[in-house]
Amino acid sequence: GDSVTQMEGPVTLSEEAFLTINCTYTATGYPSLFWYVQYPGEGLQLLLKATKADDKGSNKGFEATYRKETTSFHLEKGSVQVSDSAVYFCALSYNTNAGKSTFGDGTTLTVKP
Amino acid sequence: KAGVTQTPRYLIKTRGQQVTLSCSPISGHRSVSWYQQTPGQGLQFLFEYFSETQRNKGNFPGRFSGRQFSNSRSEMNVSTLELGDSALYLCASSLQQGNGYTFGSGTRLTVV
Repeated sequence: GDSVTQMEGPVTLSEEAFLTINCTYTATGYPSLFWYVQYPGEGLQLLLKATKADDKGSNKGFEATYRKETTSFHLEKGSVQVSDSAVYFCALSYNTNAGKSTFGDGTTLTVKP
Repeated sequence: KAGVTQTPRYLIKTRGQQVTLSCSPISGHRSVSWYQQTPGQGLQFLFEYFSETQRNKGNFPGRFSGRQFSNSRSEMNVSTLELGDSALYLCASSLQQGNGYTFGSGTRLTVV
């Protein structure tokens, strides 16, 4: 079956540091890939997505590239802010079965001023 | 536009009771999915409804059920509550396959 593996957290960075959160996946087909962010006490928010190999998703300074050859979708940001502190989830779903997504375990990011 | 609305935000129930949670999707979204989030198991898919029909179901016991109404609002019900059902229950709606979800803030259920 499908699975998503994220780097274990928590991750603690200083403000303006470079961020990478690793995500690799195992898929039986050709899924779309997503990053979601969850702030304390809230639901998940879609951060970015990529629907096919070599696509780059980007939003709010975050980027991730769909790498089919390495089955990866690593999240990056060049300069993090305190307000980026949250839990980040990598996920996959299929266009033909989009109601069901497979999520990683989440990575907690704390950014210190 | 209004987001995904879940009610209530918090619930405390006793073992053996049943509970009903409600979700109103974004206007125009016909797909509604439910997830259970716990610290130990992460996000686990419960079921998905589309146009009042259950289209997908996760690996949860029959005590977990749901339905969707003609206006796309959805409810999930858990009967004979167990302590292990304590979790954050998240509802998500989607306009189009492959576009990702919009999540509600969740219902925090505590079973005592």
